[in-house]
Amino acid sequence: QVQLKESGPGLVQPSQTLSLTCTVSGFSLTSYSVHWVRQHSGKSLEWMGRMWSDGDTSYNSAFTSRLSISRDTSKSQVFLKMNSLQTEDTGTYYCARNGGYKGFDYWGQGVMVTVSS
Amino acid sequence: DIVMTQSPSSLAVSAGETVTINCKSSQSLFGSVRQKNYLAWYQQKPGQSPKLLIYLASTRESGVPDRFIGSGSGTDFTLTISSVQAEDLANYYCQQYYDTPLTFGSGTKLEIK
Repeated sequence: QVQLKESGPGLVQPSQTLSLTCTVSGFSLTSYSVHWVRQHSGKSLEWMGRMWSDGDTSYNSAFTSRLSISRDTSKSQVFLKMNSLQTEDTGTYYCARNGGYKGFDYWGQGVMVTVSS
Repeated sequence: DIVMTQSPSSLAVSAGETVTINCKSSQSLFGSVRQKNYLAWYQQKPGQSPKLLIYLASTRESGVPDRFIGSGSGTDFTLTISSVQAEDLANYYCQQYYDTPLTFGSGTKLEIK
């Protein structure tokens, strides 16, 4: 069955770089795009960017200068790297599969990230 | 960016009642090629990830109870939950995927009296 699972550090110091991994199973990264979405505690959802099935990427301009998304298809993994973290980057980070015309049909469990010294 | 305005921000109803959640986009989400509206609804229960309920404005995702109904076109959309159940306690979000950046509504918190 389709699964996505985020992993990464729960605590990051201000000004440091956040590195997250989304490991997928049950589908191929060369057939579906995978997105990263952030949620501040008790708040709405914020789209960060995506890895297209062809390997191309697109980003929310709110993050463009410090966000990078990459992948390793052999390991079925999509990576998020975001630098210059600030306390306002604290939140839960999700990866989600784009089911084509469906929107996000599968989501990971999310990983909570706290930015604090 | 397309702004998604969702209302109400919260509501409390008794089991068995019908609920209506509204979502308005700052520009049309209707795609002329496929003749579809690129609008989705998600349900997020406490402590869980969002779950897709409705896509293309009115198509129910597989396994979603038929009491969840999506409607609307262009810039105005509605999620109706008929005969609300206790298990429907959650936050509900609309999302446009017509254009990037993909954007979400601010959410509606549904409480059961």
